[in-house]
Amino acid sequence: SQTIHQWPATLVQPVGSPLSLECTVEGTSNPNLYWYRQAAGRGLQLLFYSVGIGQISSEVPQNLSASRPQDRQFILSSKKLLLSDSGFYLCAWRKTLADYYNEQFFGPGTRLTVL
Amino acid sequence: DQQVKQNSPSLSVQEGRISILNCDYTNSMFDYFLWYKKYPAEGPTFLISISSIKDKNEDGRFTVFLNKSAKHLSLHIVPSQPGDSAVYFCAASAPNAGGTSYGKLTFGQGTILTVHP
Repeated sequence: SQTIHQWPATLVQPVGSPLSLECTVEGTSNPNLYWYRQAAGRGLQLLFYSVGIGQISSEVPQNLSASRPQDRQFILSSKKLLLSDSGFYLCAWRKTLADYYNEQFFGPGTRLTVL
Repeated sequence: DQQVKQNSPSLSVQEGRISILNCDYTNSMFDYFLWYKKYPAEGPTFLISISSIKDKNEDGRFTVFLNKSAKHLSLHIVPSQPGDSAVYFCAASAPNAGGTSYGKLTFGQGTILTVHP
């Protein structure tokens, strides 16, 4: 069976500090990977997605970046955090685009608070 | 531009009764719709989905209805149970120009469902 891991679970960082959130998927190969953010009281907003190693697409201009150094590893980063980066960050995976109608599976999330 | 809208921030239902959660969309290119359930501080859990070639999909207590002409979908939970209390998100996906999909989902704002014993 497939599992998705995210860490850390919670993080409190000062404004201007760097960020690195990691997501890994087990039990599948060549998944599509996604980073979402849920701001307080809001829905989920897609930040980045990746269809393969080194292939990153950004959905919204922002202070964040993403990388996919390995097939099942997805990293969300920032060089200097802003207060507005606070939120609940979720990683998700999906079977490859060859199977169109299939769902995404989400990780447990990381609660980021920028002070 | 909110392409997927859940206009009811919250819904309260008695245990055993039906819960109906609604979702509207504006993008006519959406052809795949999903419902997720989310508890606080956890990732969303997939519940049920429907493609645009269908108007109904059922899985146990959960049924999703799609009205393409009205650009509206709804999730019915029958009977509702206290354990169903959570935030429910609807999401939609559209194909790429080439007819494939990267599976990008556009989410609504969510509806908080509370089922009272």
